[in-house]
Amino acid sequence: QQPVQSPQAVILREGEDAVINCSSSKALYSVHWYRQKHGEAPVFLMILLKGGEQKGHEKISASFNEKKQQSSLYLTASQLSYSGTYFCGTFDLANAGGTSYGKLTFGQGTILTVHP
Amino acid sequence: DGGITQSPKYLFRKEGQNVTLSCEQNLNHDAMYWYRQDPGQGLRLIYYSQIVNDFQKGDIAEGYSVSREKKESFPLTVTSAQKNPTAFYLCASSIVGYTNYGYTFGSGTRLTVV
Repeated sequence: QQPVQSPQAVILREGEDAVINCSSSKALYSVHWYRQKHGEAPVFLMILLKGGEQKGHEKISASFNEKKQQSSLYLTASQLSYSGTYFCGTFDLANAGGTSYGKLTFGQGTILTVHP
Repeated sequence: DGGITQSPKYLFRKEGQNVTLSCEQNLNHDAMYWYRQDPGQGLRLIYYSQIVNDFQKGDIAEGYSVSREKKESFPLTVTSAQKNPTAFYLCASSIVGYTNYGYTFGSGTRLTVV
């Protein structure tokens, strides 16, 4: 099942902060975060593993609450280059013919626009 | 530099025709994936493969077929059975299918049915 992201869109001025949330109805092994510029490939930002860890990448950080099956992406002091669509991906295992296969299911995306 | 190459970038297809999208990687990744992207719907998994000569259906496999004869290559065929094939198609790869590594994406193929 597809994870649910909120909000669907965010508009910021440079220097403002934003939070993007990702919720799943299934237990998760990990959560991925990606950013996609218009017409380009998604770019990997970070992975959050089980254990409620928090990771950082420049001024972008994220947390993962496996109990609540939620992850949040925090963008602080936003820059123009942060504009794009942010996707969370929830990773779990699917079984087929007695073998486990890793599978990443993406949310519908959050469009972030940063204005000067 | 290592990466994923998708070709062509733009593809036009007449209704009723099959078309094959190419995906090649030189990252030595075991796992490869095909996603379809439509506006407002995020990325949906079509097929994935963890090893050569083995692949699994994703969430929207109907009307698509794949092959994995070489580790580096994972072509996707959009058949005439796919009712609404116009979309942006993304190929991705990762080190191992079920460990926690990020995916590397190709630059995509935009398919339009005319």
